[in-house]
Amino acid sequence: SYELTQPPSVSVSPGQTASITCSGDALPKKNAYWYQQKPGQAPVLVIYKDNERPSGIPQRFSGSNSGTTVTLTISGVQAEDEADYYCQSADSSSTYPVFGGGTKLIVV
Amino acid sequence: QVQLQESGPGLVKPSETLSLTCTVSGDSISSSYWTWIRQPPGKGLEWIAYTYNGGSINYNPSLRGRVAISVDTSKNQVSLKVNSVTAADTAVYYCARQRGYYPLYYFDSWGQGILVTVSS
Repeated sequence: SYELTQPPSVSVSPGQTASITCSGDALPKKNAYWYQQKPGQAPVLVIYKDNERPSGIPQRFSGSNSGTTVTLTISGVQAEDEADYYCQSADSSSTYPVFGGGTKLIVV
Repeated sequence: QVQLQESGPGLVKPSETLSLTCTVSGDSISSSYWTWIRQPPGKGLEWIAYTYNGGSINYNPSLRGRVAISVDTSKNQVSLKVNSVTAADTAVYYCARQRGYYPLYYFDSWGQGILVTVSS
């Protein structure tokens, strides 16, 4: 089955920039999406179509796609950004949605 | 503002059928795609199935044959059934509105989720 690979965790200090990567062979041909999930809550869409922000998502969240790796960047990280982040795209055969394994962003 | 609310039993016995309903408000069930996603405790997200008005349907290959998704337009609800459940089906189940175009779908609104435990 197709996989999207994310690092298990990323640590960052408040005010710094966090970069969370997601790798997959089919990503050059597909858009990627990013979700933020805080403990006990449902995921929230923070980036769609590689780099678009839904209404209400702070400007410090941005996305990029550079071939087989897509990146979620959070500039000026705040304590409230500590959460799990999941990338999502379509499988290599383009038949169904797939999620990455998730990355825990730790703000220390 | 669309709102989604999952409902159903929180405990299901092994080998039985898990049945969940998602009630949608703020959007018509007939005019959007709707999806079910689950998350085992402490683990990641797994897409299960989606439907458009009960006609266009797609299932995760890993679950195909055990799951069924349907809509009830009169109640503005989307439902999920999972047959022959085991402990591996224990998870928080989310319904979500699906956007985008084939095959690049994404999920812009989610329900709060419902924890379903499979245990005797």
